[in-house]
Amino acid sequence: AQTVTQSQPEMSVQEAETVTLSCTYDTSENNYYLFWYKQPPSRQMILVIRQEAYKQQNATENRFSVNFQKAAKSFSLKISDSQLGDTAMYFCAFMKGGSQGNLIFGKGTKLSVKP
Amino acid sequence: NAGVTQTPKFRVLKTGQSMTLLCAQDMNHEYMYWYRQDPGMGLRLIHYSVGEGTTAKGEVPDGYNVSRLKKQNFLLGLESAAPSQTSVYFCASSYGTTFDNEQFFGPGTRLTVL
Repeated sequence: AQTVTQSQPEMSVQEAETVTLSCTYDTSENNYYLFWYKQPPSRQMILVIRQEAYKQQNATENRFSVNFQKAAKSFSLKISDSQLGDTAMYFCAFMKGGSQGNLIFGKGTKLSVKP
Repeated sequence: NAGVTQTPKFRVLKTGQSMTLLCAQDMNHEYMYWYRQDPGMGLRLIHYSVGEGTTAKGEVPDGYNVSRLKKQNFLLGLESAAPSQTSVYFCASSYGTTFDNEQFFGPGTRLTVL
């Protein structure tokens, strides 16, 4: 069975600075996808960024980028130029390729961006 | 285009009562999912559907039933609610299950069972 671990329950960062959220996962699969979701106080789950396991190049979406280390089974999220609107819970998630879309989530990291 | 909507947004039940949560999507998505989110936990999959008329069990299906009679709707039922089912319930949908098919989530339903 696959598991996703987020070892940082809470983090804080000053506005305009950079922060990195950690995620590790355990799987014996070779074909899988990894995701970071944001959940602001409104509770709405929003996809931030995604990565295919067979792609070595790290995904980037504007201020968000990942450091994907396949051998280490690590998938960290870097947020550059942090903004107050980035304050949210962030969830790392795993999906096995060829599955029915079943996402496996970590427990989340609560990020607070301070002015 | 409303995306994924959930009804109701909040509900309080007494132990043993029953209720149905409705999820509706207007994106013509084939796949629909029900998750629950408990404090300090990530979302966990309850049941899912890969198309109209189909349902399947997820990670935590006990105590729940689902139906997908229409493509756009996915219902989650609690026949006899228990305090352990106090949670926030999220519905999601996607066109497919490949990497580029994003799951879109509804706003959630907060359910309290007394």
